[in-house]
Amino acid sequence: EDKVVQSPLSLVVHEGDTVTLNCSYEVTNFRSLLWYKQEKKAPTFLFMLTSSGIEKKSGRLSSILDKKELSSILNITATQTGDSAIYLCAATNFGNEKLTFGTGTRLTIIP
Amino acid sequence: DTEVTQTPKHLVMGMTNKKSLKCEQHMGHRAMYWYKQKAKKPPELMFVYSYEKLSINESVPSRFSPECPNSSLLNLHLHALQPEDSALYLCASSRAGVGGTGELFFGEGSRLTVL
Repeated sequence: EDKVVQSPLSLVVHEGDTVTLNCSYEVTNFRSLLWYKQEKKAPTFLFMLTSSGIEKKSGRLSSILDKKELSSILNITATQTGDSAIYLCAATNFGNEKLTFGTGTRLTIIP
Repeated sequence: DTEVTQTPKHLVMGMTNKKSLKCEQHMGHRAMYWYKQKAKKPPELMFVYSYEKLSINESVPSRFSPECPNSSLLNLHLHALQPEDSALYLCASSRAGVGGTGELFFGEGSRLTVL
């Protein structure tokens, strides 16, 4: 059975700190890894990673995939209170339309 | 227009009621999804439609009945639900159909309470 595990489950930091969120996966015929941010309602897309070692960047957020280690990290630098959310990692595989989600990391930024 | 629109936003129903959740997208996406999300848990896949055909049913109880009238619309018909079915129901769509997923675009969800 496909599995995605995230750590830590929750994290509380002060505004301005840098955080690293982790995601590991065990997925048959792995295709891609996606990161989402979920505040109150719908998850919003952050990154999709398919190639190992290539960093994707959007403002203060960046992410990279390591296919050898079956893992990915999401970095957020100079955190702001608006970064407080649940960050979900999800994996897809070739051959079907399933997106397997991890349990999420609840990030809280203290002003 | 890059939205997935879900209605209603909130729904309260009794265990004997019949109701429906609706989802609409106009991005030309060919795969549409229903996810169920309980508090403090990740979304759990329920159904996937690919090119208007049901391609995945994750062993969902028959009291949930999906319908895809056309490539832009996805419904979830609800009948004889239980209180434990109370959750946020998320609809999503993606460009890809059979063969793999691309990025999923989520609607804001329908918050369902079963009394």
